Amino acid sequence: GQQLNQSPQSMFIQEGEDVSMNCTSSSIFNTWLWYKQDPGEGPVLLIALYKAGELTSNGRLTAQFGITRKDSFLNISASIPSDVGIYFCAGLPWGGAQKLVFGQGTRLTINP
Amino acid sequence: DVKVTQSSRYLVKRTGEKVFLECVQDMDHENMFWYRQDPGLGLRLIYFSYDVKMKEKGDIPEGYSVSREKKERFSLILESASTNQTSMYLCASRFTVLAGGNEQFFGPGTRLTVL
Repeated sequence: GQQLNQSPQSMFIQEGEDVSMNCTSSSIFNTWLWYKQDPGEGPVLLIALYKAGELTSNGRLTAQFGITRKDSFLNISASIPSDVGIYFCAGLPWGGAQKLVFGQGTRLTINP
Repeated sequence: DVKVTQSSRYLVKRTGEKVFLECVQDMDHENMFWYRQDPGLGLRLIYFSYDVKMKEKGDIPEGYSVSREKKERFSLILESASTNQTSMYLCASRFTVLAGGNEQFFGPGTRLTVL
């Protein structure tokens, strides 16, 4: 099935640094979702975006729905050890599609 | 808070056994989904259900079946478990997209090992 291009695949950062990751597609989406998954757990929804250009925050997390409707990014400011995990983007394609399309994930590792 | 629960966190079965994975959601969601997650392959959709007694095949339905007799419950059945079905299984639910329910919520997952 279709997949989103998510980058980077992995990040190794120092505690306190800011983090940025993004998802792109050749198709238009009407919804972007960002999830975090801890080892052995299910993905937890962090942020949902519904309008082109929309910028939404959830604590230290900020996500934006790209103007072209083909991309989205997630920023984490002032990273802390509990931010470690895998972050997934997911999108609902424009045109009445019912199934989410997922990125492959960004694995975040933080050095204390 | 939306809650999606799965009947087992860890399960060990033998090849050829019939396996039932149960998922329950408490938010009156119409849509429910079963995925499997494997390293390097990401999340892959096995089956989904738009509403009670409705089901549609996802991307990898072979070897699986599903049952949705009640709105809150969606069961995944492995008719004859095989070692290549060893995986993390994730259930998810949401309101129907037509009702604006684009936020999809996942359960905690079931780690299934088939020996």
